[in-house]
Amino acid sequence: DGGITQSPKYLFRKEGQNVTLSCEQNLNHDAMYWYRQDPGQGLRLIYYSQIVNDFQKGDIAEGYSVSREKKESFPLTVTSAQKNPTAFYLCASSARQDRPYNEQFFGPGTRLTVL
Amino acid sequence: AQKITQTQPGMFVQEKEAVTLDCTYDTSDQSYGLFWYKQPSSGEMIFLIYQGSYDEQNATEGRYSLNFQKARKSANLVISASQLGDSAMYFCAMRETYSGAGSYQLTFGKGTKLSVIP
Repeated sequence: DGGITQSPKYLFRKEGQNVTLSCEQNLNHDAMYWYRQDPGQGLRLIYYSQIVNDFQKGDIAEGYSVSREKKESFPLTVTSAQKNPTAFYLCASSARQDRPYNEQFFGPGTRLTVL
Repeated sequence: AQKITQTQPGMFVQEKEAVTLDCTYDTSDQSYGLFWYKQPSSGEMIFLIYQGSYDEQNATEGRYSLNFQKARKSANLVISASQLGDSAMYFCAMRETYSGAGSYQLTFGKGTKLSVIP
C-alpha cells in the first residue's frame, strides 16, 4: 500500500541534543513537507522540498535542518538551536503540480518531547 | 493578518444531526484551492474535501459538503448525519497560486474540535 511513514511515533530528547525525525513515502511524489503542530496553533510549515537535492525554508525554519538526497526520504533534524522543540511533527507529500488542486498526504506524525 | 480563520474552537453536535464548521479566508489571488482535513486523536491528517476557486458547484463527498461563498470568502464544511466517529479536530486550509514561501504551500487555520454526543 502506498503511503507515508514517520518514525519514531514518540521521541524524547534531552536539552542540547540534536534529533532526527524520519519521513519516507512510496507515493512517487516529488514534493515533501514538514509541519509543526502546537496546541491551538494549527499546522505551521517548517521546510519543503519540490525536488531531490532542493529544499526551501517555510515559515518557522529556525533551529531545524533537512536534506533531500532521495525522492522517497525527507528527514528533519531538530537542532539544539530550536528553543522550544516540544511539539507534534507531521510530514506530508504531494505531486508537483502548479495548480490549486494539490492534495497533500500526511504521515502519522512524531511527537517530540524535550526533557 | 490571518489567511485562514476558524472562529469556533469547539463545537458539539447530537449524533445524526447536521453540523456546520466555519472557515473564512483572505487572499488576493484569483486562482486558489480550499481544503478540509480531519485529525482524529491518533494525529494523522485525513483529507476530506476540496473546492477550487473557479468551481461553480459546491463540492460534495459523501456526508461532507462545502458551502462555498466566494464573495464573502467563506468555505464552511457541512457534515450531515453526524456519527460518533466524526469526533475530531477539523482544519480548513488554502493553497494560493502564488504564496510567499512557494507555490505549493498550504496555509492552515487553527482548527475546530468537534464532539459528537450520543
